[in-house]
Amino acid sequence: DIQMTQSPSTLSASVGDRVTITCRASQSISKWLAWYQQKPGKGPKLLIYEASILEGGVPSRFSGSGSGTEFTLTISSLRPEDLATYYCQQYNDYFYTFGQGTKLEIK
Amino acid sequence: VRLQESGPGLVKPSETLSLTCSVSGASISSFQWGWIRQSPGEGLELIGYMYYTGTTHYNPSLKSRITISMDTSKDQFSLKVTSVTAADTAVYYCARVGSNYSNYVLGYWGQGTLVTVSS
Repeated sequence: DIQMTQSPSTLSASVGDRVTITCRASQSISKWLAWYQQKPGKGPKLLIYEASILEGGVPSRFSGSGSGTEFTLTISSLRPEDLATYYCQQYNDYFYTFGQGTKLEIK
Repeated sequence: VRLQESGPGLVKPSETLSLTCSVSGASISSFQWGWIRQSPGEGLELIGYMYYTGTTHYNPSLKSRITISMDTSKDQFSLKVTSVTAADTAVYYCARVGSNYSNYVLGYWGQGTLVTVSS
């Protein structure tokens, strides 16, 4: 299995802050990484695929970068509606695996 | 595209968990369709996914206990997990493998249904 490790587990930031979440893969996954946003009581929502491509309708303050084993999700200017847990997921292998999640709290 | 899970919210230990996902706005004869679960307070775990031709990809740790099947005439697909234990207690999500722009990501999700395993 490809293990995905996210950091930090919890992040507290203020409205307007730039926020970065890191995801590391246990082996190279090229660009085959997606990011999801999960709000309380809801199913996850796709934000980014192929490490850096924004899904249609996702605000441009979200961006992704990286390749190989290290990836980042950045929110350029945090908004209150970004309160959520964020997950990375690799799809280099048929057996998709997820990071453990980063819970984003608004100060 | 909308997905809606349905099935019992309570299952007894050693019995079989059965869930159905109803799809609207798309035909399940395109893309792959699957199941993901989230144990209380935990992260996301892929259960497996299936193409209408019958090709399946299952989580190796669950493979001996799970079956995913499809009814293309109803645009529904189903999950069965046998010999359940308390460790199978989770919110179960159905999802489409494929967004409008990529065939490989989990592009659409249901809202999830909580299944509790308890006597």
